[in-house]
Amino acid sequence: SQQGEEDPQALSIQEGENATMNCSYKTSINNLQWYRQNSGRGLVHLILIRSNEREKHSGRLRVTLDTSKKSSSLLITASRAADTASYFCATGTGANSKLTFGKGITLSVRP
Amino acid sequence: DAGITQSPRHKVTETGTPVTLRCHQTENHRYMYWYRQDPGHGLRLIHYSYGVKDTDKGEVSDGYSVSRSKTEDFLLTLESATSSQTSVYFCAISESGAGTGTYEQYFGPGTRLTVT
Repeated sequence: SQQGEEDPQALSIQEGENATMNCSYKTSINNLQWYRQNSGRGLVHLILIRSNEREKHSGRLRVTLDTSKKSSSLLITASRAADTASYFCATGTGANSKLTFGKGITLSVRP
Repeated sequence: DAGITQSPRHKVTETGTPVTLRCHQTENHRYMYWYRQDPGHGLRLIHYSYGVKDTDKGEVSDGYSVSRSKTEDFLLTLESATSSQTSVYFCAISESGAGTGTYEQYFGPGTRLTVT
């Protein structure tokens, strides 16, 4: 069963707008990660937030984590057409570095 | 995709035949994983390895076996391919282990497998 559930399933925005994607999970985690996948390619790691962190930034990316609500959000500011991709959240819960991935969000950024 | 290759990249095979997919890394990372990606299911873990000859099952391991005889190679075998195993298969690697909380994964380019 999927640990992370992303919301919305699909998002379409205009270039320059901000994109917000959400992820909810069910059990306690060690960390939560966000990945991007361009069409026909492998996943690329974007950002990792640990369970004792509440917010993290990386360039135009901002991730928040609320462990009391078991949810995370990924904000992409000033979106570009090149941000068009699928975005996945993944939760790490324990031994052996295993991650559980959500089903992904399809982001389309219109030029 | 740097440091991780998968072969073959595309394969078409018939139901009932054995198939082996190879993942090769040049990063000397301890952990290696095999996932399958299907529409509506996201990525699901098939098997993973936490060291040479150390492997364990993931979420969807039935019909699959793995082997890791060297740090750099992780093989996924479909013992008798079925149409339900038509999918895109991704290999991933990770450096850190349990307890560190820093274990991002790095993915290969994927293998598209079609079972007819």
